[in-house]
Amino acid sequence: EPEVTQTPSHQVTQMGQEVILRCVPISNHLYFYWYRQILGQKVEFLVSFYNNEISEKSEIFDDQFSVERPDGSNFTLKIRSTKLEDSAMYFCASSTGVIYEQYFGPGTRLTVT
Amino acid sequence: QQPVQSPQAVILREGEDAVINCSSSKALYSVHWYRQKHGEAPVFLMILLKGGEQKGHEKISASFNEKKQQSSLYLTASQLSYSGTYFCASAAGGTSYGKLTFGQGTILTVHP
Repeated sequence: EPEVTQTPSHQVTQMGQEVILRCVPISNHLYFYWYRQILGQKVEFLVSFYNNEISEKSEIFDDQFSVERPDGSNFTLKIRSTKLEDSAMYFCASSTGVIYEQYFGPGTRLTVT
Repeated sequence: QQPVQSPQAVILREGEDAVINCSSSKALYSVHWYRQKHGEAPVFLMILLKGGEQKGHEKISASFNEKKQQSSLYLTASQLSYSGTYFCASAAGGTSYGKLTFGQGTILTVHP
């Protein structure tokens, strides 16, 4: 069964550094998403992406964040200058259509020290 | 505004039933249910679209009452594998069909 994959599984970085989190969505899916989950809390929407542009973003997704689909398979989330409060599990998800179910990847645990 | 789930936690013995409720103060287009085990990704269970439908497969089913802006997840004859945190997530429609707003979660623990 096709799955969303994410790399790395765990990323440790120092405050102020840039990180890039990578995702490979399910191949026939057209809509891509990033969510984050701070330890012990609920899942929070960051951004949705369709047709090579951002469809919607949350208030969390400020100028420090950017997304890109650099080729036909990868979908990336970049955090330009990490802060301690960016420490969280970051999930990528994809769906065939905007009103369809979203399938989540295994997540990248980002630890900012 | 996030959907509100109740109860916050449920403890069951194998074979018992449970209901998890999800309500919203905003008009909903769809409700999605996910189960998350500790340290893992949320796993999709089912989606209910505007129209007041009910869905189910095997021992897990759900209903969606769009007028009341409520959804309920029904777990019957629970198994140990049902343990985890259950989230409902809502999509408001309009320009936000794909933006899922998650509830705070309901922790379900099934004991032998």
